[in-house]
Amino acid sequence: GAVVSQHPSWVICKSGTSVKIECRSLDFQATTMFWYRQFPKQSLMLMATSNEGSKATYEQGVEKDKFLINHASLTLSTLTVTSAHPEDSSFYICSARDPLLPDTQYFGPGTRLTVL
Amino acid sequence: AQTVTQSQPEMSVQEAETVTLSCTYDTSESNYYLFWYKQPPSRQMILVIRQEAYKQQNATENRFSVNFQKAAKSFSLKISDSQLGDTAMYFCAFPPPGGSEKLVFGKGTKLTVNP
Repeated sequence: GAVVSQHPSWVICKSGTSVKIECRSLDFQATTMFWYRQFPKQSLMLMATSNEGSKATYEQGVEKDKFLINHASLTLSTLTVTSAHPEDSSFYICSARDPLLPDTQYFGPGTRLTVL
Repeated sequence: AQTVTQSQPEMSVQEAETVTLSCTYDTSESNYYLFWYKQPPSRQMILVIRQEAYKQQNATENRFSVNFQKAAKSFSLKISDSQLGDTAMYFCAFPPPGGSEKLVFGKGTKLTVNP
């Protein structure tokens, strides 16, 4: 299957700072990527859909000014958590849609964010 | 509203035995795809198997197979010859209607394979 990377795998930051997480499709071009948040022992919660060259589409209840998404190229999407607070601590996962397999998403390994 | 229900929060199986994880869903679409993803302790989401709804033949990937019953809106995953490495959370998922690119995930089933 297709490979998606995510960087960093974990990050610790101070409250009030911003953190950027990168998501890359390594062996295919992804016009559409997705950002999820996962709380412990829970399922994935979709935060936003990222489309290359256009604005991201955020799910209801997700603050677009806090979670900035940029999809500047066909292989890279970034999620920036701005002015992070302890409640933003979570596991963030990205995925990329395979252009050859309809509706199929391949996932990155995730990023654990801890805000002190 | 589109829903995916996994009614078994936790299951366990002995190594080398067979286990079936259940998933039911609700949709008004006639053609769609269904997925099972696995999330081991590393938390990397891995695509296990994919089923096209218009295909009557059940998908199979090595030891993993599905029992897809479209009329009943049921999509169960069978794992044969269970291995310790199969220990993971398993999520059923499918796209909501209207050509959306998103996936709706079930709450997951935690599978433990015992030696």
